[in-house]
Amino acid sequence: NAGVTQTPKFRVLKTGQSMTLLCAQDMNHEYMYWYRQDPGMGLRLIHYSVGEGTTAKGEVPDGYNVSRLKKQNFLLGLESAAPSQTSVYFCATSSGGDVETQYFGPGTRLLVL
Amino acid sequence: GQNIDQPTEMTATEGAIVQINCTYQTSGFNGLFWYQQHAGEAPTFLSYNVLDGLEEKGRFSSFLSRSKGYSYLLLKELQMKDSASYLCAVRDSNYQLIWGAGTKLIIKP
Repeated sequence: NAGVTQTPKFRVLKTGQSMTLLCAQDMNHEYMYWYRQDPGMGLRLIHYSVGEGTTAKGEVPDGYNVSRLKKQNFLLGLESAAPSQTSVYFCATSSGGDVETQYFGPGTRLLVL
Repeated sequence: GQNIDQPTEMTATEGAIVQINCTYQTSGFNGLFWYQQHAGEAPTFLSYNVLDGLEEKGRFSSFLSRSKGYSYLLLKELQMKDSASYLCAVRDSNYQLIWGAGTKLIIKP
C-alpha cells in the first residue's frame, strides 16, 4: 500500500502560471485535506473534503481551488501563482471518528518566482 | 482568535528526558494531538488526548489539562533519532485542527 502520495514533489513556477497538485490515497478514507506549511507558522488548512464530490474552504482558501471527483484523489489548483504561494504543500487524509488521526503525504515544495 | 503556543526550539542530551509544552486558546475543544515531523518529511501522529491526565505510549507520554489550556509531551531516554519538530494541534468546535508552529528539538550526544 502506497498510503498517501503527492505529485509533483517539487516545482518552480513563474508568477501568473497555473498548476495542479495531485493527492492520491489508497486508504479508503473519506476525509482529505490540503495544508500549506511556512517557516515559523503552523500548518494552515487551505481546503478540505468530507467525501467524494464535496469540498469546503479552510483557513486560507484564497488563490486556490480544489476538486474531489473520485474518492481516492484530491486536486489542488493554483490558477495564477503568486510569490506568496511559495510554500510546502501537504495533503492529508483521515477516516473520521473521535481520534481521527491524519495521515500525511510526503509534501510538494513549490517555489513561485 | 485561536492560538497555539509552543517553544520554538529546545536542546537536550541523548539519554535524558525532555518536556515540550503547549498552551492553547481555541473556540471549543475536541481533542489535542501531538505529531512528529523530521526535517523535510511529513508529520506523523504521536498521541491524542481528550480527557485530563496522562497518556503513555512507550518512551513518549502526553498530558492534558483542559481547565488550564495546557498540554505537554514528555520524551524519555532520548535518542538521536528523536531530533525533529514536534507539532501540537487542537481540534476546535468545528472539528478543524488548529496547529502550533512546532518545537524543534535538537539532541546532542
